[in-house]
Formats: sequence, C-alpha cells, structure tokens
Amino acid sequence: NAGVMQNPRHLVRRRGQEARLRCSPMKGHSHVYWYRQLPEEGLKFMVYLQKENIIDESGMPKERFSAEFPKEGPSILRIQQVVRGDSAAYFCASSPPGTEDEKLFFGSGTQLSVL
Amino acid sequence: KQEVTQIPAALSVPEGENLVLNCSFTDSAIYNLQWFRQDPGKGLTSLLLIQSSQREQTSGRLNASLDKSSGRSTLYIAASQPGDSATYLCAVGAQKLVFGQGTRLTINP
Repeated sequence: NAGVMQNPRHLVRRRGQEARLRCSPMKGHSHVYWYRQLPEEGLKFMVYLQKENIIDESGMPKERFSAEFPKEGPSILRIQQVVRGDSAAYFCASSPPGTEDEKLFFGSGTQLSVL
Repeated sequence: KQEVTQIPAALSVPEGENLVLNCSFTDSAIYNLQWFRQDPGKGLTSLLLIQSSQREQTSGRLNASLDKSSGRSTLYIAASQPGDSATYLCAVGAQKLVFGQGTRLTINP
C-alpha cells in the first residue's frame, strides 16, 4: 500500500509564475489536508478537503492560493503569481473517512523555491 | 487560540541515554495529541497518537504521556540510538493539527 505521494519533490518558480503541487492520498483515504512549513517555522494548517468539497480553508491565504480534490485524480494546491515569501515546504496528509480519532499520514512534501 | 510549545528546541545526548521531550499546549480541550518524527528533507512519520481520553501510549522504546489538566505531554525515548536523531514534533487536534516548533534531537555515537 503506497503512502501519500506528492510531486514534484522540488519545484522552482520565478516570481509571478504559477505553482501546482499535487498530492495522491493513500488508497482508501478520502480526506486530504495541506500544511505549509515556512523556513524556521512550524507546520501550519492550510486546508482540509474531501472529494469535491472544501471542508475547512481557514488557513489558506486570502489571495492567490486555491485547492481542489476532484472526484478523480490527485488533490492540487495551486499558487498563482508566486512571490518569494511563498518559498516553503508544502506537505499533504490523508486519512480514511469517518476517522476523526485516527492518525494523519503525511507525504514527503514539495519544496517550493521562488527565485 | 491553541498554541503548542516544545522545549528544548535542540537536544544533544550520548548514545544509550534515556531522554524526555516536552510539549505544552494552551487549550486543554484537545481532541488528540500526536508525536511525529521529521527527518531532513523528508515528510513526517507519526510515532504515537494519544486520544483525549487516554493518559499514555507506548511503542517499542517510545512512551508518550498526556496530562490534559496541566496542558502537557512528554515523549520518553529509552536507550537512545544514533538512528533516533531527527526533529520531533508535537501536534494537537484532529484533522486541523496545531504543531509545535519541534525539538531537534542529536544522538552522539
């Protein structure tokens, strides 16, 4: 059973470009979460999604950031018009349905570098 | 607003020692508390999860305790090994986890 898969592992963008980060949850998991780890800071919650629904996006910046988890395919975190302050490690996690007391399983992350 | 603090920020000990990592949180109305391990350039590995009704969990050489009334958790590592070197993160909540800054642990051979 493959774990949470994130790609790419490393992504380099120039200021103003778009960044797309992909996350495939573990098999059987229908809940996806995105977290961001800024340099020298702890991980911060961004968004919680279920298939075709955003459940909690209270941690998402108001502009330029969006997330989706379509019925088919991976979850996508999209950052438009990237700025240097977006440089961070972005982690995706997943969990099975109906398991509020279960562990979250994390991917290896995508390191975004904005030049 | 929940805040999680981990002390110390860094710890270096000789191989074989037993050690304790500390985690404190401001809001005792937590759902779960998890301890994670993060290796450089890699993701997080969940080590132990303590539900709010539990007092401790054990896995191998690891033991985590939870005292909700005082807002504290400890991670005890017995007979430390160089392979235990990593950053250890404490997080509270369910789906929406609030993380501490972590303790960077180095075990010296």
